[in-house]
Amino acid sequence: QVQLQQWGAGLLRPSETLSLTCAIYGGSFSYHYWGWIRQPPGKGLEWIGEINHSGKTNYNPSLKSRVIISEDTPKNQFSLKVISVTAADTAVYYCARVSSGEYGFLRSYYYYMDVWGKGTTVTVSS
Amino acid sequence: EIVMTQSPATMSVSPGERATLSCRASQSISSNLGWYQHKPGQAPRLLIYGASTRATGIPARFSGGGSGTEFTLTISSLQSEDFAVYYCQQYNDWPRTFGQGTKVEIK
Repeated sequence: QVQLQQWGAGLLRPSETLSLTCAIYGGSFSYHYWGWIRQPPGKGLEWIGEINHSGKTNYNPSLKSRVIISEDTPKNQFSLKVISVTAADTAVYYCARVSSGEYGFLRSYYYYMDVWGKGTTVTVSS
Repeated sequence: EIVMTQSPATMSVSPGERATLSCRASQSISSNLGWYQHKPGQAPRLLIYGASTRATGIPARFSGGGSGTEFTLTISSLQSEDFAVYYCQQYNDWPRTFGQGTKVEIK
């Protein structure tokens, strides 16, 4: 059973860099995308971006200029960096496994986050 | 970006009752929609993908429907563990976007 364990600094000052890492246990980095999602206090979920084993990334344009998602395949880990953080980056950050592909005789497309980390609370405050 | 709008924001339901949640997309997304359940202090849990296919281990009381721009999640008989916030998410286009959530609370 695949499990994700995430960690990183929980308190940052404005303009610092947010850095989180997610380790994959019980599964391989291959055949999936691995993503990051966040939830600001009192708000809904926001998709940040994702990476696959080849290093291919997809980012949310609203964050793309400040976000870097990278992978360390030998360590079975992937990471999130958000540069120049502000109070608006205060949120619970989740890492997740993304499963995607086709299913059924109509070859319908599926995409979902089916394994999640426990979440890391990141607070940006001066 | 595709905007997902959920309604209502909050619904009060008694245990054993039926709950129907709505999700609307700002443009057609075919059936490229998932539903997630989120409880405080926990990670979100996948319920439905492909608008109507239950994920592994999800009870049959959860059902999804719709296509194009209008979608529903129905919980046929609410159990105590079902009180949570529910999010729809489209994966028809980038960036993936979520609705703002519907909170199902105990009446």
